Amino acid sequence: DVKVTQSSRYLVKRTGEKVFLECVQDMDHENMFWYRQDPGLGLRLIYFSYDVKMKEKGDIPEGYSVSREKKERFSLILESASTNQTSMYLCASSFFGQEVSSNQPQHFGDGTRLSIL
Amino acid sequence: QKEVEQDPGPLSVPEGAIVSLNCTYSNSAFQYFMWYRQYSRKGPELLMYTYSSGNKEDGRFTAQVDKSSKYISLFIRDSQPSDSATYLCAMSARDNYGQNFVFGPGTRLSVLP
Repeated sequence: DVKVTQSSRYLVKRTGEKVFLECVQDMDHENMFWYRQDPGLGLRLIYFSYDVKMKEKGDIPEGYSVSREKKERFSLILESASTNQTSMYLCASSFFGQEVSSNQPQHFGDGTRLSIL
Repeated sequence: QKEVEQDPGPLSVPEGAIVSLNCTYSNSAFQYFMWYRQYSRKGPELLMYTYSSGNKEDGRFTAQVDKSSKYISLFIRDSQPSDSATYLCAMSARDNYGQNFVFGPGTRLSVLP
C-alpha cells in the first residue's frame, strides 16, 4: 500500500513565524502535491513537483514556497505565517508513467491541521 | 462554469439504502476518474479509480463513467453508518509534467442507523 506521511497532525504557530510542513512518500512517485482544504472552498492546489528540485505553482501559491531535495520528500514552507493561512494542509503523491494507461491516482496523507494565532 | 460540479449535500439516507453520488465536468481532456472518501479530520482515501468510460465494481461500490455526457457516478449498495463521510470526485488529464488533477467540492453523506 502507498503510504504518504505528514510529519504533524496538529500544529499551532504564531503570526510571522516561518513554518515548515513535511511530507514523505514511500512509493518512489514522481509527482507530489500540496493542497489546502477549507470549508466551502474544497481542495485548492498550492504547489506541485514533478521531479526532484522541480516545482510548479498551483492555484494559490502566494505566501508559500516548497522544496524537493529528495524524491520521497516534499516540504511546504510558510515564509511568514498569517492568520488567513489557518487551514488543513494535505500532501499527495502519484505515479506518472510513460504509457497513458499506466498513470495512477493521487494518494493522500492524513493532513496537518495548522492554526496560526 | 466550474470545471467540476458536485452537489455538496448534505445527503441523508437510511441504513441499507442505495446511494447515488454524481459529478459533471466540462473538460473533455479528462481521462482518469476517481472517487475518494474523506472522514472528518482525515485525508481523502482512494475508493475507486477508472481510466476512460465504463463501469467498475468493487464490493458494495460501483463507479460509472459516461464520457459522452461528461458525467460520473458512484453507487453504494447496502449503505452502512460507517459509509458516513464526504465523497470527493476527481478527474485528471496528462500534461507535459504529469497529471493535472481537478477535484469536486465533495458531497457529505450521512447513513442513519
